[in-house]
Amino acid sequence: DTAVSQTPKYLVTQMGNDKSIKCEQNLGHDTMYWYKQDSKKFLKIMFSYNNKELIINETVPNRFSPKSPDKAHLNLHINSLELGDSAVYFCASSQDAAGAREQYFGPGTRLTVT
Amino acid sequence: AQSVTQLGSHVSVSEGALVLLRCNYSSSVPPYLFWYVQYPNQGLQLLLKYTSAATLVKGINGFEAEFKKSETSFHLTKPSAHMSDAAEYFCAVSGTNYGGSQGNLIFGKGTKLSVKP
Repeated sequence: DTAVSQTPKYLVTQMGNDKSIKCEQNLGHDTMYWYKQDSKKFLKIMFSYNNKELIINETVPNRFSPKSPDKAHLNLHINSLELGDSAVYFCASSQDAAGAREQYFGPGTRLTVT
Repeated sequence: AQSVTQLGSHVSVSEGALVLLRCNYSSSVPPYLFWYVQYPNQGLQLLLKYTSAATLVKGINGFEAEFKKSETSFHLTKPSAHMSDAAEYFCAVSGTNYGGSQGNLIFGKGTKLSVKP
């Protein structure tokens, strides 16, 4: 059983389109995250949700919006895609938002905007 | 603000040689520190973490790291490299208190480890 799963694994789309990436965790965790990994492998936190409430929102354009229908899911919706949005997006989860918690990562979604 | 610096974007060792990947942190509070590994085209997997218990932390796959407060370092080592260790390694720091942004991981830029036969 996959602990943290993401769909799709690859996403190729054109500038200006709107797309969503889905994430599900079956670990019973309370907190979920989205990270962006750029072409140089640098990882940066985008959002996190704790019990369906947004608790982190770093300097991310408002074209990006996380949506959590329940605590097992945290989807990422992106409006008006730009070339600079091309990256690998990772979903992760942890037991709660405490700093000592291990985060479990999904396999990633490679987004290519043309 | 917390930050992590990984010295060396690429480290190459021979199979059987010592692996040493360097990580220095900056934090205004006692930190929680992590090492994650990323194999090609995969997500990140936790190798080990420091949470203020023992300063020498043992992880999976024979890796260990030592927390040195005086040097603000958390270097990752493995006595004998194996071909399967070739991957990208990330050091990360998080906060210490529950709630707010304390679960936020701040990552270093990563070190790519190559292992030569």
